[in-house]
Amino acid sequence: GAGVSQTPSNKVTEKGKYVELRCDPISGHTALYWYRQSLGQGPEFLIYFQGTGAADDSGLPNDRFFAVRPEGSVSTLKIQRTERGDSAVYLCASSSTPRTSGHNEQFFGPGTRLTVL
Amino acid sequence: QQQVKQSPQSLIVQKGGIPIINCAYENTAFDYFPWYQQFPGKGPALLIAIRPDVSEKKEGRFTISFNKSAKQFSLHIMDSQPGDSATYFCAASRTTDSWGKLQFGAGTQVVVTP
Repeated sequence: GAGVSQTPSNKVTEKGKYVELRCDPISGHTALYWYRQSLGQGPEFLIYFQGTGAADDSGLPNDRFFAVRPEGSVSTLKIQRTERGDSAVYLCASSSTPRTSGHNEQFFGPGTRLTVL
Repeated sequence: QQQVKQSPQSLIVQKGGIPIINCAYENTAFDYFPWYQQFPGKGPALLIAIRPDVSEKKEGRFTISFNKSAKQFSLHIMDSQPGDSATYFCAASRTTDSWGKLQFGAGTQVVVTP
């Protein structure tokens, strides 16, 4: 079946502009995560959705970042007034409802490379 | 602050060698320790994972060793092949924390020469 898809694959924007990054999770996966990966670093957690609600947004760096998942499937990460420091690869991951044994594998998309000029 | 420290940053081995990547953590509440493999332009993919009640786990040529008392774990790639050249990330998570949001190490770039 199809994996996690993210669009666009690349986004170049100018400082101060608004951008939206889209994530299509694996069908039926209720959990969705956004991570940010800076050059030469590991992914850093941004936000976690369980269904339609943002259950944990503790990783969002500031209020310029916002994410939605209105129907419990597709999610959009929104960045206002972009800054050069926002340049990174934004990764989306999804997983199915955890069993009582705990962890379910997170499946990652290919990411969106955001470049802010 | 990085909750999982990973070393080395990079390493080069010859085909057939055994690259070893080490990770350390501080939070004793972590209860799941996966390793991810990432190729350029791709997202990370789960390679192998271990829970703290097990000291070693093998899947194919990949082995995780886990030392709970030292709060360290490592990945060994047996009989490494050029196709194993990739960036490897260790990670840790807590079952009760957002259904396992992952804390990643900084990554190790592994190059396996023919």
